[in-house]
This record gives sequence, C-alpha cells and structure tokens, in this order.
Amino acid sequence: GENVEQHPSTLSVQEGDSAVIKCTYSDSASNYFPWYKQELGKRPQLIIDIRSNVGEKKDQRIAVTLNKTAKHFSLHITETQPEDSAVYFCAAKSGGYQKVTFGTGTKLQVIP
Amino acid sequence: EAGVTQFPSHSVIEKGQTVTLRCDPISGHDNLYWYRRVMGKEIKFLLHFVKESKQDESGMPNNRFLAERTGGTYSTLKVQPAELEDSGVYFCASSQMTGASVGYTFGSGTRLTVV
Repeated sequence: GENVEQHPSTLSVQEGDSAVIKCTYSDSASNYFPWYKQELGKRPQLIIDIRSNVGEKKDQRIAVTLNKTAKHFSLHITETQPEDSAVYFCAAKSGGYQKVTFGTGTKLQVIP
Repeated sequence: EAGVTQFPSHSVIEKGQTVTLRCDPISGHDNLYWYRRVMGKEIKFLLHFVKESKQDESGMPNNRFLAERTGGTYSTLKVQPAELEDSGVYFCASSQMTGASVGYTFGSGTRLTVV
C-alpha cells in the first residue's frame, strides 16, 4: 500500500519568512495530492491540492509542487503570518476507491 | 450546508468498557471514511463506506472495532472492549464522489481517552 513520509515534524519561522514542508510517497499510481491544515482543536481542512498532470499550483500565499519522477511533493507558504500556525498534513491518493493516505503532520509555528 | 458532524466530541472511558462514536456526513455524500490519529502520528485510515457498504476496511485494527452505516446515512464506530492503545482522535470524513480528485470534508473528531 501507499506510504507517505513528511518532514519536518516541527517548524518554527519568523513572521514574514517562508515555510516549506516536504513529503514523499511510495505508490507510483498515486495521482492526487491534497494538503490539510488543522488548527488547534479544529477539524483538518483542505487548503490546496494538486493532480499528477500538473507540476505546480499556487493559491495566494501557498503553493504546491509535485515531482512525479522523484515521487515527492512540497507545500510552500510565503510571507507567513501567525494565523498560519497549525499542523499541516500532506496526503496521497490513487484513483477509484483507493483511500487517502496521510503523512505524520508538520507542526508549524509562526513567531510574531 | 451542514458539515460533517461527530459526537461525542470527547469521551473518557475505562479499559474494558464500550464506546460508540457517531458520524453524520454531509447530506448526499455517498462516501464516508473513518480515520484515527494517535498523538504525534499520522491520520491513519480505518475504513471506507460507499453508501451502506464497506468498500475498504483494511485499516480496522482488530475485531474489537465495529463500524456500521445502516441505510447509508450516519455511521457508528463501536469499540468493545476498549483498550488503552485505542486512545486517540477519531475523525470521520465524507466526500460526494469517488474519484482521484476529490477532497474530503472532515468532522471535528472525537477525542477518545481510555484509562
């Protein structure tokens, strides 16, 4: 089955700096890669996703990149703000009825 | 539209007791998933319903866990008897269509503590 690894487990950045979270996956059939943000005590929420026919996707201050050959994908947050502080999960999914497999999460702390 | 609703939000039970968690998916979502997060680890898949049928239950830890979705609406996850290692946050998620490009909508989770 699919295995998703995520690094780092914790990340502290100064407000205004950029943050990068990296993930690798094992199943070459995976073709959908969502990212979820979980604020303290709240539900995980989808913030951005990318499909395997695209190498990069951007939405305001967040962007995701995908390297299918190397089987890794990354989340980039620019101009970080304190409200970006949360746990971020990467995930991977192949087609049909396959489940979404999550990484172990990255706790991001943005220091004002 | 109402989101995915889970209850209880918290449950503290003693080892050996029974607990039943409930999830109400978004109306019209055929796909319902149960996941669990143990402290500091990944959000781990438990099982997937399509309507009332179990599509994939490969993540269920053992036969102390029983999930049902009668009528294809809400789902329950029963743990009987509970063990200490069952502690964690149990998330339910739903999605409308089965396919590669569909994100989940998560509930707020049930934090289960077995003492």
